[in-house]
Amino acid sequence: GQNIDQPTEMTATEGAIVQINCTYQTSGFNGLFWYQQHAGEAPTFLSYNVLDGLEEKGRFSSFLSRSKGYSYLLLKELQMKDSASYLCAVPATSNDYKLSFGAGTTVTVRA
Amino acid sequence: DSGVTQTPKHLITATGQRVTLRCSPRSGDLSVYWYQQSLDQGLQFLIQYYNGEERAKGNILERFSAQQFPDLHSELNLSSLELGDSALYFCASSQGAGETQYFGPGTRLLVL
Repeated sequence: GQNIDQPTEMTATEGAIVQINCTYQTSGFNGLFWYQQHAGEAPTFLSYNVLDGLEEKGRFSSFLSRSKGYSYLLLKELQMKDSASYLCAVPATSNDYKLSFGAGTTVTVRA
Repeated sequence: DSGVTQTPKHLITATGQRVTLRCSPRSGDLSVYWYQQSLDQGLQFLIQYYNGEERAKGNILERFSAQQFPDLHSELNLSSLELGDSALYFCASSQGAGETQYFGPGTRLLVL
């Protein structure tokens, strides 16, 4: 099975930067996903990392270290609309593409 | 808009009843996944279909069943409903079995 840990809540100011950490344990690795979910809405795909390193996509970047079982999502130039839950997810096994999701990190952006 | 559609948006029913949730994947996607999200459980994988065949199963209750039809739409059937089945049910689709999943808007089920 998977063990995915992420902080429960984070608060930051508009325009600031926030880093959401995710640690995972999995029997086989086949990539790590980040999703954004606003309350009562569907998760929206943000990023996918399968190799070590930083992937940058506009204001959002995602980093992966497979040897450490660690990833982070970096949100820059925070906007009020970034207030949401951010979910880290990994496939169950290297041959299995059902996703196991972390409990999510609720980010609150304050003016 | 992800391109995944789900109906109905909201469903209110009574304990002991049976309901069917419907999902149409994005055009070209062969794989469909069902998830349950309740306040205290987070997003839980239920079941996956790929091109009409069951591919993976999560902690899906025996009272729940699903299928994927030849036109690739999928239905999730929930029977003998209990209060604890109240949740958001999401469908997601992907092109292949291991590619990025795109989620539909969900069906909010309330069992009274």
